[in-house]
Amino acid sequence: GENVEQHPSTLSVQEGDSAVIKCTYSDSASNYFPWYKQELGKRPQLIIDIRSNVGEKKDQRIAVTLNKTAKHFSLHITETQPEDSAVYFCAATDTGRRALTFGSGTRLQVQP
Amino acid sequence: NAGVTQTPKFQVLKTGQSMTLQCAQDMNHEYMSWYRQDPGMGLRLIHYSVGAGITDQGEVPNGYNVSRSTTEDFPLRLLSAAPSQTSVYFCASSRFAEGYEQYFGPGTRLTVT
Repeated sequence: GENVEQHPSTLSVQEGDSAVIKCTYSDSASNYFPWYKQELGKRPQLIIDIRSNVGEKKDQRIAVTLNKTAKHFSLHITETQPEDSAVYFCAATDTGRRALTFGSGTRLQVQP
Repeated sequence: NAGVTQTPKFQVLKTGQSMTLQCAQDMNHEYMSWYRQDPGMGLRLIHYSVGAGITDQGEVPNGYNVSRSTTEDFPLRLLSAAPSQTSVYFCASSRFAEGYEQYFGPGTRLTVT
């Protein structure tokens, strides 16, 4: 099955700085890589996703990059704001199981 | 649309008791799944369904059963609760399959004593 590793587990930045979260995956056939944001006590919600035929995708302050050769993908948040404080999860498709496998999460804290 | 709904929001069980966590969606999604969330371990897949009448095991299926008799409902049954099943449970649905946005329910916080 798929194995997704996510780093770092915690990240603290100053407001206005950039934040980068990295994930690696093991299933070379994976073709879909979403990122979810989970605020305290709330449900996870999709913030951005990328498919394997694209190397980079951007949505305002958020961008995701994918390196299929190295089997890793990253979330980049620029100009961070206090409301970006949350837990972020990466995920990748497990093609053998028809499911998503999630990373263990990164707790991002943006200091005002 | 209500989206994905889950009941109950909170539940306390004694070891050995059984119960069913309810999940329903009104978006006509084919794919539904159950995850458990434990501190530091992300979301782990318990069971999933690609359509009515079809279910399959995820990463951590032991101690749980599911059924999918309709497109809308996907209940998760705990057969004999154990303290190791203390967790937050999320149901999710997706229009087609795992390669599309998953819409999560609000979660059920379960404590087994």
